[in-house]
Amino acid sequence: GAGVSQTPSNKVTEKGKYVELRCDPISGHTALYWYRQSLGQGPEFLIYFQGTGAADDSGLPNDRFFAVRPEGSVSTLKIQRTERGDSAVYLCASSLGIGGPTGELFFGEGSRLTVL
Amino acid sequence: AQSVAQPEDQVNVAEGNPLTVKCTYSVSGNPYLFWYVQYPNRGLQFLLKYITGDNLVKGSYGFEAEFNKSQTSFHLKKPSALVSDSALYFCAVSSRAGANNLFFGTGTRLTVIP
Repeated sequence: GAGVSQTPSNKVTEKGKYVELRCDPISGHTALYWYRQSLGQGPEFLIYFQGTGAADDSGLPNDRFFAVRPEGSVSTLKIQRTERGDSAVYLCASSLGIGGPTGELFFGEGSRLTVL
Repeated sequence: AQSVAQPEDQVNVAEGNPLTVKCTYSVSGNPYLFWYVQYPNRGLQFLLKYITGDNLVKGSYGFEAEFNKSQTSFHLKKPSALVSDSALYFCAVSSRAGANNLFFGTGTRLTVIP
């Protein structure tokens, strides 16, 4: 499809387990963003990639969270030793250009993570 | 630090009436301002943005927003609401200080009553 694709759409896991969430951005978009949306809240910035490198990872809450984008396209958000507080919808977005989000972000439908 | 306030969790308006969804912001320097909409079971969709220039910006689906620097506001408006406008609306801000992320408000649920 032409939009941002995220898999899985839903993930239920147990506390302490490892989770990977995948994002396939729009073809040709160099910038990729991960956000987290908790219930009743707005999206919260996690990390931003420009190409293959993480240009800004200031939003990652702790070292259990890590993201990669090895070939400058698909990105994977990795969460180690999951905690119940990690339960949220994880949103991926992509955009053209560099130097900040002056253009619109194109969001995927999100991956809903539930940690039991 | 940057922040966004959407003072109303819920806005109800009758179909055909004008609607306003409020947003105020705080940011160092000049702001980039955005409105996004989230329909049920859909991803966030861009509506409009203010970067510079005319304070009144027009966007998708007949929406517009007015940037007011003195009041640090960026309220979303539409002259005549449709039932299909019912959704969750998010205001977002980014600074010109090199920030590469958007800071979102908590959202306002708009319900248009037939």
